[in-house]
Amino acid sequence: GDSVTQTEGQVALSEEDFLTIHCNYSASGYPALFWYVQYPGEGPQFLFRASRDKEKGSSRGFEATYDKGTTSFHLRKASVQESDSAVYYCALGDGSSGNKLIFGIGTLLSVKP
Amino acid sequence: ETAVFQTPNYHVTQVGNEVSFNCKQTLGHDTMYWYKQDSKKLLKIMFSYNNKQLIVNETVPRRFSPQSSDKAHLNLRIKSVEPEDSAVYLCASSLDWGDYAEQFFGPGTRLTVL
Repeated sequence: GDSVTQTEGQVALSEEDFLTIHCNYSASGYPALFWYVQYPGEGPQFLFRASRDKEKGSSRGFEATYDKGTTSFHLRKASVQESDSAVYYCALGDGSSGNKLIFGIGTLLSVKP
Repeated sequence: ETAVFQTPNYHVTQVGNEVSFNCKQTLGHDTMYWYKQDSKKLLKIMFSYNNKQLIVNETVPRRFSPQSSDKAHLNLRIKSVEPEDSAVYLCASSLDWGDYAEQFFGPGTRLTVL
């Protein structure tokens, strides 16, 4: 079945560091790919999505580019802030049987001031 | 601004009891979902409804049953809870049920089974 792999379970950075969280997917065709962010005590929030090869999604300084060749959708931010500390989820939209999101394991980002 | 509301926020109960969680969305969306988030923060879909019709029913134990009275409400009942049911249950909604649809999540209900 379809799946999403996030290789980093935790990332610790200092403010103004560059962020990369890796996301690879396994699915046929061109599934919609998403990034969601979850702050403590809240539900996940939609960050952005992409659904075509080479399409870039972006929001709040975060961005990711859909790459069909490497089946990747890596999250990047040039300069993180302490307020970016949260859990980040890569997800794949599985429309084969209704819209369900298949989530990666999540990456806990901790940013020190 | 919260648009997906869940009650209760927390619930502690004993093994074997029945519990029920409520979810309401004020976004006018057609599709609603229940997800389970375990202690390791893993998120898995349980059910989804579109216009009050069950669309997705993942392999969950039969003691879990969703209930939809209208498009804006989707409740979750668990008969005879087990210790492994301890988790955060997240409700979400989306405008429609395409695989590209942005989903809006509630804050979750944390269930602890003693």
